[in-house]
Amino acid sequence: KQEVTQIPAALSVPEGENLVLNCSFTDSAIYNLQWFRQDPGKGLTSLLLIQSSQREQTSGRLNASLDKSSGRSTLYIAASQPGDSATYLCAGTGPSGTYKYIFGTGTRLKVLA
Amino acid sequence: EAGVAQSPRYKIIEKRQSVAFWCNPISGHATLYWYQQILGQGPKLLIQFQNNGVVDDSQLPKDRFSAERLKGVDSTLKIQPAKLEDSAVYLCASSFFGGAGYEQYFGPGTRLTVT
Repeated sequence: KQEVTQIPAALSVPEGENLVLNCSFTDSAIYNLQWFRQDPGKGLTSLLLIQSSQREQTSGRLNASLDKSSGRSTLYIAASQPGDSATYLCAGTGPSGTYKYIFGTGTRLKVLA
Repeated sequence: EAGVAQSPRYKIIEKRQSVAFWCNPISGHATLYWYQQILGQGPKLLIQFQNNGVVDDSQLPKDRFSAERLKGVDSTLKIQPAKLEDSAVYLCASSFFGGAGYEQYFGPGTRLTVT
């Protein structure tokens, strides 16, 4: 059974810091991995999608990588801003052979001005 | 391009009552998903439709939950009767196709409170 762990569960940093959020899967056979952002009371906003043939994706100050051999992904946020404060969720396909997304429980990020 | 639409945004009902949620996916998206997100947890897939057929409903509590996607566009998720543990945010998402490599787009969700 595919399970997803996100570390840390919560993070508070001063504005301007670079930070790394981690996501790990018990089943490393991942086809897709997607990072989302969720603001309080809102739905999920897609940030980055890493497809099966890719190892990383970049968008602006965000960079996500996927190491399939270990079943781990990281989301790197450069020069964090107060507007980055939100919960960040990763989701990957699994168990092996299916395309169903399994979500982690998220990392709650607070960037202090 | 219009996003995924959901209604209502909020709903409060008493236990044993029934409730229905509506979702309109992004135009042209063949795959539609309903997720349940309990406070402090990640979303859990309840049901996945490909056009108007069910692809996966393995985690749908079928004794009380039902969903349909008539004509392969809009979808309705129903709970009857509701229990206290059904209090959650119900998220609808869509993707162009349901296979690997297709990004999922989420609606704003419906927050259900069962008292």
